[in-house]
Amino acid sequence: NAGVMQNPRHLVRRRGQEARLRCSPMKGHSHVYWYRQLPEEGLKFMVYLQKENIIDESGMPKERFSAEFPKEGPSILRIQQVVRGDSAAYFCASSQGAETSGANVLTFGAGSRLTVL
Amino acid sequence: AQSVTQPDIHITVSEGASLELRCNYSYGATPYLFWYVQSPGQGLQLLLKYFSGDTLVQGIKGFEAEFKRSQSSFNLRKPSVHWSDAAEYFCAVGPGGYNKLIFGAGTRLAVHP
Repeated sequence: NAGVMQNPRHLVRRRGQEARLRCSPMKGHSHVYWYRQLPEEGLKFMVYLQKENIIDESGMPKERFSAEFPKEGPSILRIQQVVRGDSAAYFCASSQGAETSGANVLTFGAGSRLTVL
Repeated sequence: AQSVTQPDIHITVSEGASLELRCNYSYGATPYLFWYVQSPGQGLQLLLKYFSGDTLVQGIKGFEAEFKRSQSSFNLRKPSVHWSDAAEYFCAVGPGGYNKLIFGAGTRLAVHP
């Protein structure tokens, strides 16, 4: 049973380009979360999605960032017109259900590390 | 405001020594509490969690943590550290509802042979 799969693992972009990060949740998981880890900091919540729905995007920057979790295929975190401050590790996590419980503990992927030149 | 504080940024211990990593939280109600470990270049792995009940919880890899409500703390302990425990450790709190966790800044553990 594969875990949470993220790709690419490493991505280099120049300022002004677009970055697309993909996340396939664990089999049987329909709840996806994106977290961002800036250098020397802990993870910060960005967005919570269920299939075809954004449930909570309170941690997303208001501009340039968007996320989706389509009916088919992986969840995508998209960053348009990247700037140097977007350089970070972006982690995807999934859970089986919504409520925080022993059955719904988050499983994290290995992360996608974005470097903006 | 809700927050998690891990006072120690770096800790170095000798292999075989005991370990305690500190975590303090600020939260309006009893939160759900977690410890995760992150090895270099890897994702986060759950070590243990506290939701309710016994305040001393056992986790994987020989780790345990104790929830102390009066001190708003959830410190992680291990009686004898192994070289493979070198990693970064994150404490997190969750409000219940869905998994919108608040993480501390992490403690980086180095283990000397």
